[in-house]
Amino acid sequence: DAGVIQSPRHEVTEMGQEVTLRCKPISGHNSLFWYRQTMMRGLELLIYFNNNVPIDDSGMPEDRFSAKMPNASFSTLKIQPSEPRDSAVYFCASSISPSSEKLFFGSGTQLSVL
Amino acid sequence: GENVEQHPSTLSVQEGDSAVIKCTYSDSASNYFPWYKQELGKRPQLIIDIRSNVGEKKDQRIAVTLNKTAKHFSLHITETQPEDSAVYFCAASTKGNEKLTFGTGTRLTIIP
Repeated sequence: DAGVIQSPRHEVTEMGQEVTLRCKPISGHNSLFWYRQTMMRGLELLIYFNNNVPIDDSGMPEDRFSAKMPNASFSTLKIQPSEPRDSAVYFCASSISPSSEKLFFGSGTQLSVL
Repeated sequence: GENVEQHPSTLSVQEGDSAVIKCTYSDSASNYFPWYKQELGKRPQLIIDIRSNVGEKKDQRIAVTLNKTAKHFSLHITETQPEDSAVYFCAASTKGNEKLTFGTGTRLTIIP
C-alpha cells in the first residue's frame, strides 16, 4: 500500500482564492482525520470522519473551511476564501477505526496564501 | 477539553547520551498517550504509545513512562544517534485517535 496520499504537496495562492486539498486514505481504513500544523499552534485536529460521515468538526476554524468525504477512498478540505493566516501544513491521516492505536499520516500539503 | 503541555521545546544532546522529553495533560480521563516523530519536511510517524493501565513501555532504545496520579508522561531515548534528530510530539486522548490532543513538539538535535 502506498500509504495516505495527499495532493498537492505544495500550494501557493493569493488571498481570496479557493483552495482544495485532497486525500486518499489507506485502503481498508474507516477513519480519516484532517490536521493543520503551524509553528505557533502545533498539530491541531480540524475534523474527522468515520465511515465517510463527519463525526467531529469542532476544530474547523470558521465557515470558510469545509470538508467532505464522498466515498471511502477520497476526502477534500476546502478553504474559500483563503486568507494569509491559513498558511500552514495540512495533514490528512487515516486509521482502521477511531479507537485504533495507530494513525498513519500523509506527506502533507504546504499551503502558502499570499 | 484536554490540554497537553510539552517541554523542553528544544533539546540538544551529545551522541550516545540520553534524551528525555516530558509532557503533562489535564484530563484525568485520558487513557491513550502516543509519541510521534517528525523528521524535517516529513510526516509524523508513531514511534511508541502507552495506555493508562501500564506504567512503562520499552521498545529497544525508546521507552515511555506514565504517572497517572501526576498526569504526566515522558519519552526516554537512550544511546542517542544522529538519526534521532527530529521533532517529537506527545499526545493524549480519552479514546484512541479520536480527539487526539498534541503537545507543541520538542526539536531534538543530536550532536555528533
